[in-house]
Amino acid sequence: EIVLTQSPDTLSVSPGERATLSCRASQTIVNNYLAWYQQRPGQRPRLLIYAATTRATGIPDRFFGSGSGTDFTLTINGLGPEDFAMYYCQHYTSLPRTFGQGTKVEI
Amino acid sequence: ELHLVESGGGTVQPGESLRLSCVASEPNYSWVAWVRQAPGKGLEWVASIDQDDRETNYVDSVQGRFMVSRDKAARSVYLQMNDLRVDDTATYYCVRERVGVYDSWGQGTQVIVAS
Repeated sequence: EIVLTQSPDTLSVSPGERATLSCRASQTIVNNYLAWYQQRPGQRPRLLIYAATTRATGIPDRFFGSGSGTDFTLTINGLGPEDFAMYYCQHYTSLPRTFGQGTKVEI
Repeated sequence: ELHLVESGGGTVQPGESLRLSCVASEPNYSWVAWVRQAPGKGLEWVASIDQDDRETNYVDSVQGRFMVSRDKAARSVYLQMNDLRVDDTATYYCVRERVGVYDSWGQGTQVIVAS
Protein backbone atom coordinates (compact mmCIF):
# COMPACT_ATOMS: atom_id res chain seq x y z
CA GLU A 1 0.00 0.00 0.00
CA ILE A 2 1.28 3.45 -0.93
CA VAL A 3 1.22 5.89 1.97
CA LEU A 4 0.81 9.56 1.14
CA THR A 5 2.01 12.10 3.68
CA GLN A 6 0.90 15.69 3.30
CA SER A 7 2.59 18.67 4.86
CA PRO A 8 1.97 20.83 6.64
CA ASP A 9 -1.15 19.66 8.46
CA THR A 10 -2.31 23.27 8.70
CA LEU A 11 -1.19 26.24 6.63
CA SER A 12 -2.03 29.75 7.73
CA VAL A 13 -2.00 32.31 4.94
CA SER A 14 -3.56 35.67 4.16
CA PRO A 15 -5.95 36.36 1.29
CA GLY A 16 -4.04 37.18 -1.86
CA GLU A 17 -0.97 35.22 -0.81
CA ARG A 18 0.39 31.98 -2.22
CA ALA A 19 -0.06 28.60 -0.56
CA THR A 20 2.27 25.69 -1.19
CA LEU A 21 1.11 22.22 -0.17
CA SER A 22 3.24 19.10 -0.27
CA CYS A 23 2.38 15.43 -0.80
CA ARG A 24 5.08 12.79 -0.41
CA ALA A 25 4.58 9.15 -1.38
CA SER A 26 6.14 6.11 0.27
CA GLN A 27 7.03 4.76 -3.19
CA THR A 28 7.19 6.04 -6.73
CA ILE A 29 3.87 7.08 -8.22
CA VAL A 30 4.03 5.47 -11.64
CA ASN A 31 2.95 7.68 -14.55
CA ASN A 32 2.48 10.50 -12.01
CA TYR A 33 -0.99 9.16 -11.29
CA LEU A 34 -1.65 11.67 -8.53
CA ALA A 35 -4.72 13.84 -7.98
CA TRP A 36 -5.62 16.73 -5.70
CA TYR A 37 -9.04 17.44 -4.22
CA GLN A 38 -10.50 20.41 -2.36
CA GLN A 39 -13.12 20.03 0.34
CA ARG A 40 -14.78 23.13 1.75
CA PRO A 41 -16.44 22.85 5.17
CA GLY A 42 -19.66 20.88 4.99
CA GLN A 43 -19.27 20.16 1.29
CA ARG A 44 -18.34 17.21 -0.86
CA PRO A 45 -14.80 16.99 -2.21
CA ARG A 46 -14.13 18.21 -5.73
CA LEU A 47 -11.38 17.29 -8.13
CA LEU A 48 -8.78 19.99 -8.77
CA ILE A 49 -5.81 18.32 -10.44
CA TYR A 50 -5.10 14.93 -11.97
CA ALA A 51 -2.01 13.35 -13.51
CA ALA A 52 -0.07 15.57 -11.12
CA THR A 53 -0.31 18.68 -13.31
CA THR A 54 -3.59 18.73 -15.28
CA ARG A 55 -6.36 20.98 -14.02
CA ALA A 56 -9.83 19.48 -14.00
CA THR A 57 -12.64 21.11 -15.95
CA GLY A 58 -13.56 24.52 -14.57
CA ILE A 59 -10.64 24.81 -12.18
CA PRO A 60 -9.03 28.27 -12.31
CA ASP A 61 -5.42 28.57 -13.33
CA ARG A 62 -4.38 29.88 -9.92
CA PHE A 63 -4.27 26.18 -8.96
CA PHE A 64 -1.01 24.65 -10.12
CA GLY A 65 0.13 21.07 -9.69
CA SER A 66 3.72 19.96 -10.02
CA GLY A 67 6.08 17.16 -9.10
CA SER A 68 6.92 13.61 -10.07
CA GLY A 69 8.14 10.36 -8.60
CA THR A 70 7.47 10.61 -4.89
CA ASP A 71 7.21 14.38 -4.33
CA PHE A 72 4.28 16.47 -5.47
CA THR A 73 3.15 20.01 -4.82
CA LEU A 74 -0.10 21.93 -5.10
CA THR A 75 0.40 25.68 -5.38
CA ILE A 76 -2.49 28.08 -4.99
CA ASN A 77 -1.71 31.59 -6.18
CA GLY A 78 -3.61 34.64 -5.00
CA LEU A 79 -5.77 32.90 -2.40
CA GLY A 80 -9.40 33.93 -2.45
CA PRO A 81 -11.84 33.47 0.45
CA GLU A 82 -13.32 30.40 -1.23
CA ASP A 83 -9.91 28.67 -1.24
CA PHE A 84 -9.76 28.27 2.53
CA ALA A 85 -10.51 24.56 2.78
CA MET A 86 -9.04 21.08 3.21
CA TYR A 87 -6.90 19.69 0.43
CA TYR A 88 -6.19 16.03 -0.16
CA CYS A 89 -3.82 14.26 -2.51
CA GLN A 90 -4.66 10.78 -3.83
CA HIS A 91 -2.74 8.27 -5.93
CA TYR A 92 -4.29 5.97 -8.50
CA THR A 93 -1.30 4.02 -9.63
CA SER A 94 -2.34 0.81 -7.86
CA LEU A 95 -4.82 -0.68 -5.42
CA PRO A 96 -5.70 0.31 -2.83
CA ARG A 97 -6.22 3.91 -3.87
CA THR A 98 -5.11 5.98 -0.91
CA PHE A 99 -5.39 9.60 0.15
CA GLY A 100 -3.11 11.79 2.16
CA GLN A 101 -4.32 12.89 5.57
CA GLY A 102 -5.06 16.38 4.26
CA THR A 103 -3.79 19.93 4.65
CA LYS A 104 -6.05 22.59 6.07
CA VAL A 105 -5.55 26.01 4.52
CA GLU A 106 -6.77 28.65 6.92
CA ILE A 107 -6.60 32.38 7.34
CA GLU B 1 -22.89 17.24 -15.87
CA LEU B 2 -23.35 13.97 -14.03
CA HIS B 3 -25.21 14.13 -10.73
CA LEU B 4 -25.02 11.32 -8.20
CA VAL B 5 -27.49 10.98 -5.33
CA GLU B 6 -26.90 8.59 -2.45
CA SER B 7 -29.47 7.22 -0.05
CA GLY B 8 -29.85 4.45 2.50
CA GLY B 9 -27.73 5.73 5.34
CA GLY B 10 -28.88 5.53 8.93
CA THR B 11 -28.06 4.41 12.45
CA VAL B 12 -27.55 0.74 13.19
CA GLN B 13 -26.02 -1.43 15.86
CA PRO B 14 -22.75 -3.33 15.45
CA GLY B 15 -23.26 -6.52 13.46
CA GLU B 16 -26.25 -5.19 11.54
CA SER B 17 -26.54 -4.46 7.81
CA LEU B 18 -27.33 -1.50 5.56
CA ARG B 19 -27.67 -1.09 1.84
CA LEU B 20 -26.62 2.17 0.28
CA SER B 21 -27.92 3.25 -3.12
CA CYS B 22 -26.54 5.72 -5.63
CA VAL B 23 -28.57 6.95 -8.57
CA ALA B 24 -27.00 8.76 -11.51
CA SER B 25 -28.75 11.55 -13.43
CA GLU B 26 -27.75 10.01 -16.75
CA PRO B 27 -26.34 6.73 -18.03
CA ASN B 28 -22.86 6.27 -16.65
CA TYR B 29 -20.40 4.14 -18.56
CA SER B 30 -17.59 4.51 -16.07
CA TRP B 31 -16.35 2.80 -12.98
CA VAL B 32 -18.10 3.88 -9.78
CA ALA B 33 -16.49 3.96 -6.37
CA TRP B 34 -17.56 4.42 -2.78
CA VAL B 35 -15.33 6.70 -0.71
CA ARG B 36 -15.99 7.30 2.97
CA GLN B 37 -15.08 9.95 5.49
CA ALA B 38 -15.27 9.31 9.22
CA PRO B 39 -16.36 12.29 11.33
CA GLY B 40 -13.58 14.88 11.38
CA LYS B 41 -11.25 12.59 9.44
CA GLY B 42 -9.87 12.22 5.94
CA LEU B 43 -11.00 10.33 2.87
CA GLU B 44 -10.81 6.56 2.42
CA TRP B 45 -11.54 4.57 -0.73
CA VAL B 46 -13.85 1.65 0.11
CA ALA B 47 -14.86 -0.17 -3.06
CA SER B 48 -15.12 0.15 -6.83
CA ILE B 49 -17.12 -1.53 -9.58
CA ASP B 50 -16.52 -1.50 -13.32
CA GLN B 51 -18.99 -0.36 -15.94
CA ASP B 52 -20.12 -3.90 -16.80
CA ASP B 53 -20.55 -5.22 -13.25
CA ARG B 54 -17.78 -7.76 -13.86
CA GLU B 55 -14.94 -6.47 -11.70
CA THR B 56 -15.03 -5.21 -8.15
CA ASN B 57 -12.32 -4.15 -5.74
CA TYR B 58 -12.38 -3.54 -1.99
CA VAL B 59 -10.18 -2.09 0.69
CA ASP B 60 -8.96 -4.86 2.99
CA SER B 61 -10.94 -3.63 5.99
CA VAL B 62 -14.30 -4.28 4.27
CA GLN B 63 -13.39 -7.32 2.15
CA GLY B 64 -15.90 -10.09 2.83
CA ARG B 65 -18.35 -7.76 4.59
CA PHE B 66 -19.25 -5.24 1.87
CA MET B 67 -20.42 -5.93 -1.66
CA VAL B 68 -20.79 -3.43 -4.47
CA SER B 69 -23.14 -4.03 -7.39
CA ARG B 70 -24.87 -2.05 -10.10
CA ASP B 71 -28.04 -2.01 -12.17
CA LYS B 72 -27.30 -0.23 -15.43
CA ALA B 73 -30.94 -0.03 -16.47
CA ALA B 74 -31.72 1.76 -13.21
CA ARG B 75 -28.56 3.90 -13.44
CA SER B 76 -27.85 2.72 -9.91
CA VAL B 77 -24.96 1.41 -7.87
CA TYR B 78 -25.38 -0.26 -4.51
CA LEU B 79 -23.18 -0.93 -1.51
CA GLN B 80 -24.39 -3.80 0.66
CA MET B 81 -22.73 -3.47 4.06
CA ASN B 82 -22.92 -6.46 6.40
CA ASP B 83 -21.53 -7.07 9.88
CA LEU B 84 -21.10 -3.35 10.41
CA ARG B 85 -18.55 -2.17 12.94
CA VAL B 86 -18.25 1.03 14.95
CA ASP B 87 -15.30 2.11 12.80
CA ASP B 88 -17.49 1.93 9.67
CA THR B 89 -19.20 5.09 10.92
CA ALA B 90 -18.72 7.69 8.19
CA THR B 91 -20.26 9.69 5.41
CA TYR B 92 -20.26 7.50 2.31
CA TYR B 93 -19.80 9.21 -1.04
CA CYS B 94 -20.66 7.70 -4.40
CA VAL B 95 -18.18 8.89 -7.00
CA ARG B 96 -17.56 8.45 -10.69
CA GLU B 97 -14.13 6.97 -11.20
CA ARG B 98 -12.29 7.65 -14.46
CA VAL B 99 -8.90 5.94 -14.72
CA GLY B 100 -8.75 6.03 -10.95
CA VAL B 101 -9.64 9.71 -10.65
CA TYR B 102 -12.80 10.66 -8.78
CA ASP B 103 -14.29 13.43 -10.90
CA SER B 104 -17.95 13.55 -9.80
CA TRP B 105 -19.10 13.20 -6.20
CA GLY B 106 -22.51 12.72 -4.65
CA GLN B 107 -23.54 14.69 -1.60
CA GLY B 108 -22.93 11.71 0.68
CA THR B 109 -25.06 9.62 3.02
CA GLN B 110 -24.29 9.22 6.70
CA VAL B 111 -23.85 5.84 8.35
CA ILE B 112 -23.63 5.59 12.14
CA VAL B 113 -22.81 2.32 13.83
CA ALA B 114 -23.32 2.50 17.58
CA SER B 115 -24.63 0.39 20.39
